[in-house]
This record gives sequence, structure tokens and C-alpha cells, in this order.
Amino acid sequence: AQSVTQPDIHITVSEGASLELRCNYSYGATPYLFWYVQSPGQGLQLLLKYFSGDTLVQGIKGFEAEFKRSQSSFNLRKPSVHWSDAAEYFCAVGAYNQGGKLIFGQGTELSVKP
Amino acid sequence: DTGVSQDPRHKITKRGQNVTFRCDPISEHNRLYWYRQTLGQGPEFLTYFQNEAQLEKSRLLSDRFSAERPKGSFSTLEIQRTEQGDSAMYLCASRLGLAGHNEQFFGPGTRLTVL
Repeated sequence: AQSVTQPDIHITVSEGASLELRCNYSYGATPYLFWYVQSPGQGLQLLLKYFSGDTLVQGIKGFEAEFKRSQSSFNLRKPSVHWSDAAEYFCAVGAYNQGGKLIFGQGTELSVKP
Repeated sequence: DTGVSQDPRHKITKRGQNVTFRCDPISEHNRLYWYRQTLGQGPEFLTYFQNEAQLEKSRLLSDRFSAERPKGSFSTLEIQRTEQGDSAMYLCASRLGLAGHNEQFFGPGTRLTVL
């Protein structure tokens, strides 16, 4: 069965510091991988996705993620965090030929210190 | 704004009552998804439609839950005889096309509290 693990429930970083949020997935073939961000009272917004090609993908708001097949990982990175990045981040996997439904991890809450 | 909208945004009900939520997807999006999100967890898939056809239902969707998408436009999710365990955020998302990597656009959700 497909699954997504986000090992860090809560992370705190200082503004301006770099960020890496971890995501590991379990799936038998190459999955579609997504990172979404959720701010309080807001819907989920797509940051970036991977489905083929270059394993380093660029997203919105200065985020990037790298797909590593050997490690079954899709970690999200940002070189310099802004206070407005404080939010909940979700990694999700979608499977080929399964209607496009997404399997989400439990999320990582990011706090940003001034 | 032509994003996904959901109504109501908040619903408080007493145990045993029926509730119905509405989702208006982005027009021309043929796929519509419902997810449920409980506190501290990621969204969990409930069901999805392609146009008006309901193509998959999760085991999470008990007999008390029913969803419709008449005419392939808006969708409703009804919960009958609500239980306290139904308290959650119900999210709707829509997507264009059949490609699995197409982005799903999410609505703001309906937060249900069952007393």
C-alpha cells in the first residue's frame, strides 16, 4: 500500500536560515509527488510537484525539492526562510492509474523565529 | 475569484443530526475529490467523481456518508446521524483532465463540530 511519512511533526527555524523538510514514501513504482502548504484558515496550496524528468524541481515561493529514488525521498528545501513561511507542510503521493487521489503525510508544522 | 468554494465554512451540530456540505469546483474541472482532515493529521481521501460519476469510495466513507455530483458541476457531501468522531475538516478539491500529476486545487474546507 502507498504511504507517506513525514518524520518531523514540528520544526522551528530562524528567519533567514535554510530549511529542509523530510518526506519518505512507499510505492511500488515511480509515484507522482507533491508538496502542499496550508496556512490557518486557508486551503492547501501546491508548492511543487514531481512526475518525471529532472529530479530537482523548482516551485513557488523559492522552494525546491529533490526526488531520490534510491532513498524513496522527496525532501523540500528553501535556502532562506521568511516569517511568512510559517505554516503546515504536507507531502503527498499520487499513483498512476488510481484516479488521481492523493495520499498525504501527517504534515510538518513550521515555526519561524525572528 | 474562480477557485474552489465550499459552503458552509463552519458547521456545529448535535450528535444524531444530518448535515450537508456543498463544494463548487473550478468550472471545466472534470474531477472532484473529497478529503477529510482531523487535527494534527494530513487529509485522507474519501471519494472522487469524474463528471457526475462517482468512481471510488474509501473505506472511511461509511454508510452514513453519501456524496453526489449532479450534472457534473457542484458536489454535496451528506453525513447522516452524525457522531462525535465525524468532527473534522472536510476538504474538496478539483482537477482538470485525467493525468495523475495534474494539480488538485483545494477549497478552504468546511469545519464540522459534532457536539
